[in-house]
Amino acid sequence: KQEVTQIPAALSVPEGENLVLNCSFTDSAIYNLQWFRQDPGKGLTSLLLIQSSQREQTSGRLNASLDKSSGRSTLYIAASQPGDSATYLCAVNPVGAGNNRKLIWGLGTSLAVNP
Amino acid sequence: ETGVTQTPRHLVMGMTNKKSLKCEQHLGHNAMYWYKQSAKKPLELMFVYNFKEQTENNSVPSRFSPECPNSSHLFLHLHTLQPEDSALYLCASSQEGGNEQFFGPGTRLTVL
Repeated sequence: KQEVTQIPAALSVPEGENLVLNCSFTDSAIYNLQWFRQDPGKGLTSLLLIQSSQREQTSGRLNASLDKSSGRSTLYIAASQPGDSATYLCAVNPVGAGNNRKLIWGLGTSLAVNP
Repeated sequence: ETGVTQTPRHLVMGMTNKKSLKCEQHLGHNAMYWYKQSAKKPLELMFVYNFKEQTENNSVPSRFSPECPNSSHLFLHLHTLQPEDSALYLCASSQEGGNEQFFGPGTRLTVL
């Protein structure tokens, strides 16, 4: 059974720091992995999607890596800003989910970037 | 703005009330989803519709009744809910065969 774990559960850093959020999954048979951002009481915004054949994806100050064999992904945020404060969620799309795209979710990392 | 809208944004209802949540997507997608997000729990997939047909019901109690009249609209009809049903209900859409789901802002539901 696929399970997704995100560490740490919460993180507080000073502005300007580079930081890494971790996501691990128990079954390497996945189509892709996706990172989302959720602001308090709001919906989810897709940040990056990495296909199983890819090693990393970049968007602006964000870089997500995927090591499928070890069941790990990291989200690297460069030069963090207070506006980056949010909860970051990781979700995997397991093989066998078919076209339903039955994503398996982590609990998220709550990030606070302090001015 | 992700192209997925949800109304209402907040809803408080008693256990005997009947209410409906609405989701609309303007992205031309043909798959739509309802999720439940409770504190300290991962997102829970409730229902999936592909081309207006329900293709997934993730053991959801019958007090939640989905309706998908067309590819752009999705409803969640609620009746005789329990306090433990209080949560953020999220709608999402995706392209059939596509990889990425796009989410609405959610409806914060409180059941008294």
